[in-house]
Amino acid sequence: DAAVTQKPRYLIKMKGQEAEMKCIPEKGHTAVFWYQQKQSKELKFLIYFQNQQPLDQIDMVKERFSAVCPSSSLCSLGIRTCEAEDSALYLCSSSQSTWGGDEQYFGPGTRLTVL
Amino acid sequence: DAKTTQPDSMESTEGETVHLPCSHATISGNEYIYWYRQVPLQGPEYVTHGLQQNTTNSMAFLAIASDRKSSTLILTHVSLRDAAVYHCILRAMNYGGSGNKLIFGTGTLLSVKP
Repeated sequence: DAAVTQKPRYLIKMKGQEAEMKCIPEKGHTAVFWYQQKQSKELKFLIYFQNQQPLDQIDMVKERFSAVCPSSSLCSLGIRTCEAEDSALYLCSSSQSTWGGDEQYFGPGTRLTVL
Repeated sequence: DAKTTQPDSMESTEGETVHLPCSHATISGNEYIYWYRQVPLQGPEYVTHGLQQNTTNSMAFLAIASDRKSSTLILTHVSLRDAAVYHCILRAMNYGGSGNKLIFGTGTLLSVKP
């Protein structure tokens, strides 16, 4: 079975603090995705890496987040200054490639609460 | 990505077979049909995917209409653990922009009674 690991599972920050969450993709997977989900609503795409390079990201990520994949075995997503609206479940997923027939597997997520 | 239409909710009882429908009338020839499910506070779980032929795995059977404008995810002998939101998603076959990211809708909430 595929296994994408995310740490920590739960994260509590005060408004204005920095937050960081990590993702270990499935071994051998070259594509890594980050999504945001608020209150069990629809997933929102944030950023996508291919072979550790960020190839697409939404404006919010460019402005307020920091994301890197320094190796194929570890990626991280950071928020420079947390705001209440950032409270959400952050999901990391990976796939062997970006070919449409390659399954994309998700981790359990990091639940961020900003007080 | 082309749009899919699913019922908001469905109910079943343990041990039954459930048919979850999905309509994708504007599907293009190079799009796969993916199914994921999600329970609260957890990441989506891959269920199955197909292109044209029916597919089966340990989790479900995917029946794809001959014109590919609809599909049905069939769960046999459902248990309480199958209660989740089931998402039907279309994904381009080729190496697309944004890495062929998945676009989730609201899905079908499947409730399972003991």
